[in-house]
Amino acid sequence: EDQVTQSPEALRLQEGESSSLNCSYTVSGLRGLFWYRQDPGKGPEFLFTLYSAGEEKEKERLKATLTKKESFLHITAPKPEDSATYLCAVQARRDDKIIFGKGTRLHILP
Amino acid sequence: DGGITQSPKYLFRKEGQNVTLSCEQNLNHDAMYWYRQDPGQGLRLIYYSQIVNDFQKGDIAEGYSVSREKKESFPLTVTSAQKNPTAFYLCASSKGFGETQYFGPGTRLLVL
Repeated sequence: EDQVTQSPEALRLQEGESSSLNCSYTVSGLRGLFWYRQDPGKGPEFLFTLYSAGEEKEKERLKATLTKKESFLHITAPKPEDSATYLCAVQARRDDKIIFGKGTRLHILP
Repeated sequence: DGGITQSPKYLFRKEGQNVTLSCEQNLNHDAMYWYRQDPGQGLRLIYYSQIVNDFQKGDIAEGYSVSREKKESFPLTVTSAQKNPTAFYLCASSKGFGETQYFGPGTRLLVL
């Protein structure tokens, strides 16, 4: 069964304290892996799409990486405005359907 | 300014009532989707449409219905058969089915 597991469920960091969020996946043939940011009461905002192991993408303080079994979202020197829930989703090559993880709630303390 | 709009932001449903959530996009995307989000759970797919006048059930379609008469619009009706409708509903669209999805701001449905 295709599955996406995100860890940790919640993470509290001090401003400037770098860390990584994990997205582990089991899928029969990965077509793509997506990262989204979601603020409370709002729709998810697209961040990155990764397609193959070894691929990396960056945007401001965020960097996403992909291996054959997991993806990491690295946050460098985070600021309070980076506080949000980060969602990971994978797309199976078999039917193109997208499966979402439950998300990691990130809180950056000033 | 292209994007996806959902209305209303909040919606209240009485027992036995059908309610319709609106989703409109001006991105010229062919595919549109409806998801339900509950606290502590991942997004779950209700219905999707790959093209106008065509739609398919997702993982939790029971108690919901949709239509796709125009490329820009994909309304979702929550029927009285949906016994636990309280949730945050998200509409998304993508250029083609399976491509990167972009989300609207969501509608929160509450039961009176």
